[in-house]
Amino acid sequence: SAVISQKPSRDICQRGTSLTIQCQVDSQVTMMFWYRQQPGQSLTLIATANQGSEATYESGFVIDKFPISRPNLTFSTLTVSNMSPEDSSIYLCSVEPTTGENYGYTFGSGTRLTVV
Amino acid sequence: QKEVEQDPGPLSVPEGAIVSLNCTYSNSAFQYFMWYRQYSRKGPELLMYTYSSGNKEDGRFTAQVDKSSKYISLFIRDSQPSDSATYLCAIEDSSASKIIFGSGTRLSIRP
Repeated sequence: SAVISQKPSRDICQRGTSLTIQCQVDSQVTMMFWYRQQPGQSLTLIATANQGSEATYESGFVIDKFPISRPNLTFSTLTVSNMSPEDSSIYLCSVEPTTGENYGYTFGSGTRLTVV
Repeated sequence: QKEVEQDPGPLSVPEGAIVSLNCTYSNSAFQYFMWYRQYSRKGPELLMYTYSSGNKEDGRFTAQVDKSSKYISLFIRDSQPSDSATYLCAIEDSSASKIIFGSGTRLSIRP
């Protein structure tokens, strides 16, 4: 399965600032996904990022708050903008299954964000 | 009604016990079903997937899908303390090209 490198692994940020999270995959993938996992909660999909097109955002998430870049088939970034303490969460990137592998979506190890 | 419902637990069992984790779902069109394990401060790790109805076994783990009841299960035999983690069921919504997670069940295996 694909190997995903996500960074930073954690950060503590001041409210009102922005943080960009990077996700690097060791193989080319069409679809990448960004999730948020609030403390003690399950994963909520923020957006789907396809290379060469605008990201598709889920209900409750907007591009101004969570701009996403997808410059090529192995890389994506998620920015958390104008942060508030409510944005404190784990942010995870994920990729779709690639041909021939054990079916399932692979996840990065996550970015633990604390906003103070 | 949520698309995927999962008992949140927490669930605590003694070492060696058989564990049963369950989810229900609402859309009969769903066909790919996955179970993820998530250790504290880690990303979810794919444990098993099944396609359509039936059972799939991998070592001490068995995944079961009953499409007629819209019910999926994960069984863990001879549970070990290292199995202590949060287990998430996940279902692929192929029409939307995304997966939907259950709320997760926190499992603790007592030595």
